[in-house]
Amino acid sequence: DAGITQSPRHKVTETGTPVTLRCHQTENHRYMYWYRQDPGHGLRLIHYSYGVKDTDKGEVSDGYSVSRSKTEDFLLTLESATSSQTSVYFCAISDPLGQPQHFGDGTRLSIL
Amino acid sequence: TQLLEQSPQFLSIQEGENLTVYCNSSSVFSSLQWYRQEPGEGPVLLVTVVTGGEVKKLKRLTFQFGDARKDSSLHITAAQPGDTGLYLCAGAAMNTGFQKLVFGTGTRLLVSP
Repeated sequence: DAGITQSPRHKVTETGTPVTLRCHQTENHRYMYWYRQDPGHGLRLIHYSYGVKDTDKGEVSDGYSVSRSKTEDFLLTLESATSSQTSVYFCAISDPLGQPQHFGDGTRLSIL
Repeated sequence: TQLLEQSPQFLSIQEGENLTVYCNSSSVFSSLQWYRQEPGEGPVLLVTVVTGGEVKKLKRLTFQFGDARKDSSLHITAAQPGDTGLYLCAGAAMNTGFQKLVFGTGTRLLVSP
C-alpha cells in the first residue's frame, strides 16, 4: 500500500459541531485530494492540493475547507457539520503526472 | 460537468461465469482508469488505458478503451469469488494541468462459489 494514513477511521458527531479529518502521506507526493463517497454518486472530489499552501475546489466543496501546511499532511474541515455531510471520506495522493491516484482506507463520518 | 455512467449497477453471478462491465460518457477523456474497492478499504488501481482502442489484460481481466476515448469496458473471464467487489471507472479530464478524475457510480459484483 502507498503510505497514506487517514484519521480518524470512524467518527460520530452532532450537527453544528466542527470536524477535522486528517490525511498523512509518507510518499512525498505533490498532489493530494479529498473525496466523498455516497451510494449512487461514486466518488466526488471535494478539494485538492497541488503543493504546500496551494489548494483548489472540487465539484462538491460547499461546507468544506482544507489546509496544507506541510507536504505530508492535508486536512479537511467541516466548520459546522450537517447531516448531509454524513459520508465516507477518502484521501488520495498522486505524483506530478497525476497517475495513478493512490487512496487511503477512508473515514466513515456520521453526523446525527 | 463530465459524467461517467456504469452498467450494470449490480451483478450477481456464479463462479466460472463470464461478465462485462461498461463505462460510458459523452465526454472525451485523456485516459481512463479502473479501480476495485473492497468493503472498508479505498479503491485500488487495476489498470490505466490511454490510447483509443487500447486493450490491456490483467490475468482474467480484459480492459478496453473505446476508439473515441469516451467509453471503456471490463471483461472478466471465469469469475472467481475473489473478484467480488465494487468496480469503479474514472476518466481523466482533457486539457487539465494535472489529473482531475471523474468517477463512475460503480458496479457491485458478487461472485458466489
